Amino acid sequence: NAGVTQTPKFQVLKTGQSMTLQCAQDMNHEYMSWYRQDPGMGLRLIHYSVGAGITDQGEVPNGYNVSRSTTEDFPLRLLSAAPSQTSVYFCASRRTGGVNEQFFGPGTRLTVL
Amino acid sequence: AQKVTQAQTEISVVEKEDVTLDCVYETRDTTYYLFWYKQPPSGELVFLIRRNSFDEQNEISGRYSWNFQKSTSSFNFTITASQVVDSAVYFCALSEARGLTGGGNKLTFGTGTQLKVEL
Repeated sequence: NAGVTQTPKFQVLKTGQSMTLQCAQDMNHEYMSWYRQDPGMGLRLIHYSVGAGITDQGEVPNGYNVSRSTTEDFPLRLLSAAPSQTSVYFCASRRTGGVNEQFFGPGTRLTVL
Repeated sequence: AQKVTQAQTEISVVEKEDVTLDCVYETRDTTYYLFWYKQPPSGELVFLIRRNSFDEQNEISGRYSWNFQKSTSSFNFTITASQVVDSAVYFCALSEARGLTGGGNKLTFGTGTQLKVEL
C-alpha cells in the first residue's frame, strides 16, 4: 500500500492564482481530511469528508473548496490564492468504525507571493 | 469546544536524559480519545499512541511512556534515555467520539513541543 499520497510536494503561486492540491489513499478509508500547519499554531482542520459525496467544513474553511467523488481521492482547491494561505498542507485518512488514528500524507508546502 | 494545550514550546536536553512533554486538554464529552504524533525534521506526521477516556492505564512502549490522568485532564509523554533521533516536534491531539453523523470525530491538535536532543 502507498498509504496517503499528496501532490505536489512544493508549489509557489502568485496572489489570485488557483490550484488544486491532490490527495489519494489506497486503504479504503472512508474518512479523509485536510489540515494546514502554520508555525506556532499546530494543525488546523480545513475540510473533511466522511465518505464519497459527503464533505463538511472544519475550523478554517474560508478560501478552500473540496469534493469527494470517490473513496480514494479528496482534492483541495484554492480558488484565488492569498498570501495568508502560505502554509504546509496535510491530507489524512482513517478507517471508520470507531475513533482510529489518522494516517497523514507527506504534506504540500505552498507559498503564495 | 475542545482544546489541547502544550505549554512547552521548546525543550532541549542532552542525550540520555529523560524528558516529559506535557499535554492538557479540555472537553465537555465523557467519551473522547487522545493521541500523540511525532513530526521529525523530514516533516511527516507519525502516529505514536491512541488512548480512550475509559482507559487510564499508563502505557509503556520501549523508551516511550504515557501518563493519562483524567483528574487533571492531562496526557503526558515521557521519553526515557533520550536519543538524538528523538529530536522532533511532538503533537498531542484530542478527538471527541461523536460518530460520523456528529462531525466525524474531528481531531484537535495542540501547538506542538519542539524537542531537541543534543550530544
